[in-house]
Amino acid sequence: DAGVIQSPRHEVTEMGQEVTLRCKPISGHDYLFWYRQTMMRGLELLIYFNNNVPIDDSGMPEDRFSAKMPNASFSTLKIQPSEPRDSAVYFCASSLRGGQGWYEQYFGPGTRLTVT
Amino acid sequence: KNQVEQSPQSLIILEGKNCTLQCNYTVSPFSNLRWYKQDTGRGPVSLTIMTFSENTKSNGRYTATLDADTKQSSLHITASQLSDSASYICVVSPRGGGNNDMRFGAGTRLTVKP
Repeated sequence: DAGVIQSPRHEVTEMGQEVTLRCKPISGHDYLFWYRQTMMRGLELLIYFNNNVPIDDSGMPEDRFSAKMPNASFSTLKIQPSEPRDSAVYFCASSLRGGQGWYEQYFGPGTRLTVT
Repeated sequence: KNQVEQSPQSLIILEGKNCTLQCNYTVSPFSNLRWYKQDTGRGPVSLTIMTFSENTKSNGRYTATLDADTKQSSLHITASQLSDSASYICVVSPRGGGNNDMRFGAGTRLTVKP
């Protein structure tokens, strides 16, 4: 199993540009999560999907952020327009219900975004 | 105010020594508590998961303990190795909030020196 795959691993862009981050979850997992990690705020959940349907997007910072999951094997997180304060590491994770009701989340390697 | 507080913020120990990382939480009631290890440049990887009724859980040289009365958890690392250098993140899921509701601590940065 290749694990959760994210691309690109690094992205440097100028303020105002559109940024698209991509994620391929582990095959068979029915939950997909997008997180953001910064030194100041740690890990923050942005949005998560169940069976390709967005369930909770209350963590999305503002309308400049949008996420889609067109099928079970692909999701995107888009920032338009990007701002310097969006600079962070963005993680995608996927999960499947575990034996005692909890969901073991498996994280991808992350995309380091730098907005100049 | 963060509902999950970790201490210390950073820690340096010599290879072969033991160490203990602390996690205090105010999430209540809670469903489960997890410890993750995050290597530099990588995503977090789960070490242990404990429900509110469990007191301890081990994973090799890693042992997590939980005191639900005092709302404290600790992660004990035995006979540390250089590869233990990483950030360790405590995560608490509230009961009733859905098993995907996870409250993250800021992490403890551990450095193991030869």
